Amino acid sequence: AQSVAQPEDQVNVAEGNPLTVKCTYSVSGNPYLFWYVQYPNRGLQFLLKYITGDNLVKGSYGFEAEFNKSQTSFHLKKPSALVSDSALYFCAVSLTNNAGNMLTFGGGTRLMVKP
Amino acid sequence: DTEVTQTPKHLVMGMTNKKSLKCEQHMGHRAMYWYKQKAKKPPELMFVYSYEKLSINESVPSRFSPECPNSSLLNLHLHALQPEDSALYLCASSQVIGRATEAFFGQGTRLTVV
Repeated sequence: AQSVAQPEDQVNVAEGNPLTVKCTYSVSGNPYLFWYVQYPNRGLQFLLKYITGDNLVKGSYGFEAEFNKSQTSFHLKKPSALVSDSALYFCAVSLTNNAGNMLTFGGGTRLMVKP
Repeated sequence: DTEVTQTPKHLVMGMTNKKSLKCEQHMGHRAMYWYKQKAKKPPELMFVYSYEKLSINESVPSRFSPECPNSSLLNLHLHALQPEDSALYLCASSQVIGRATEAFFGQGTRLTVV
């Protein structure tokens, strides 16, 4: 079965410091990996994805993620955190077939950026 | 337009009521999804529609009945729900092109069953 795991329930970082939100995956075959962000009482917003190609993927709002096949990881990063980045972050793996794009999410990591 | 619109935003219903959640997208996507999200948990897939046909039902109880009247609309009909069905219900859509593409999510309907 395909799955992703987010080992940290919460990450705290000071504004202006770099941030990392961790994700590891367990996938047979080539992984299709995604990061989404959820603000309070809102739906999920797509940040970035890894399908193939460069291991460093750049996404929205200054976020990037590094795909590491040997460590089966797909960590989300940002060089300088903003207070407005505080939200719930989900890593997801996609199972795609003729039925569409079905996402299986990790448990989520709450990011708290303090001024 | 990269928006998925869900109505209503909030819904309170009794266990004997019948209600419907609605979802609309105008991105030309041919796959649409219903997810259920309990508090402090990740979303869980309920249903997938591909080209207006139900392609995936993740063992969802029959008190939840999906409907896809056309390529832009997705409904979720609710009947005889239980209090444990209270959750955020998220609609999403994506292209169906044979490879992984991102899904676009609506803001959700916050459902409370009393």
